[in-house]
Amino acid sequence: TQLLEQSPQFLSIQEGENLTVYCNSSSVFSSLQWYRQEPGEGPVLLVTVVTGGEVKKLKRLTFQFGDARKDSSLHITAAQPGDTGLYLCAGARGRNAGGTSYGKLTFGQGTILTVHP
Amino acid sequence: EAQVTQNPRYLITVTGKKLTVTCSQNMNHEYMSWYRQDPGLGLRQIYYSMNVEVTDKGDVPEGYKVSRKEKRNFPLILESPSPNQTSLYFCASSLLGGGAAEQFFGPGTRLTVL
Repeated sequence: TQLLEQSPQFLSIQEGENLTVYCNSSSVFSSLQWYRQEPGEGPVLLVTVVTGGEVKKLKRLTFQFGDARKDSSLHITAAQPGDTGLYLCAGARGRNAGGTSYGKLTFGQGTILTVHP
Repeated sequence: EAQVTQNPRYLITVTGKKLTVTCSQNMNHEYMSWYRQDPGLGLRQIYYSMNVEVTDKGDVPEGYKVSRKEKRNFPLILESPSPNQTSLYFCASSLLGGGAAEQFFGPGTRLTVL
């Protein structure tokens, strides 16, 4: 069972369209990160959100962390072919009575975005 | 140049033949981690290390070993590889523990076990 459910898994759109990628869980995360990965390379960090309800903007990308810190979304406005890639969310959980380690990081399945010119 | 290096980049081996994938970072990072990436499953954490001599299991540690004898190196060892360990492997490092700081990823090692 995937702890972090990311949707959709595939997204194919035309240049100029808007899109949203979702990352959902039943668990609370101390922080959540979004990465972008291009073929043949490792993921590269886009943003880290740590506070419930937090919204961060990176040019045409808007990231939101849910109030309960269980979910997050990535919204891209006016997508461009350069946005094509694999988008991954990753959540970290702090130590708790159950012994979950702060060092553990869980990734969603990823969203493959293709933006056609 | 600040970077994470992995070697080899590509490896084809046979079942049962022990192998080591090396990982090195030059950023003086405390935290290092290994992931495997399989289609439709995203990245899954194998092992991580919060500091020298401190390692812990991730979500899929079975069949793997790691060691952290020096801060810069974090090798991944497959004592007896099996075909289900065919995958794309990434090493990553960050200043602080998972999720608290940006992780820098290596270029990946594509492993095929026949």
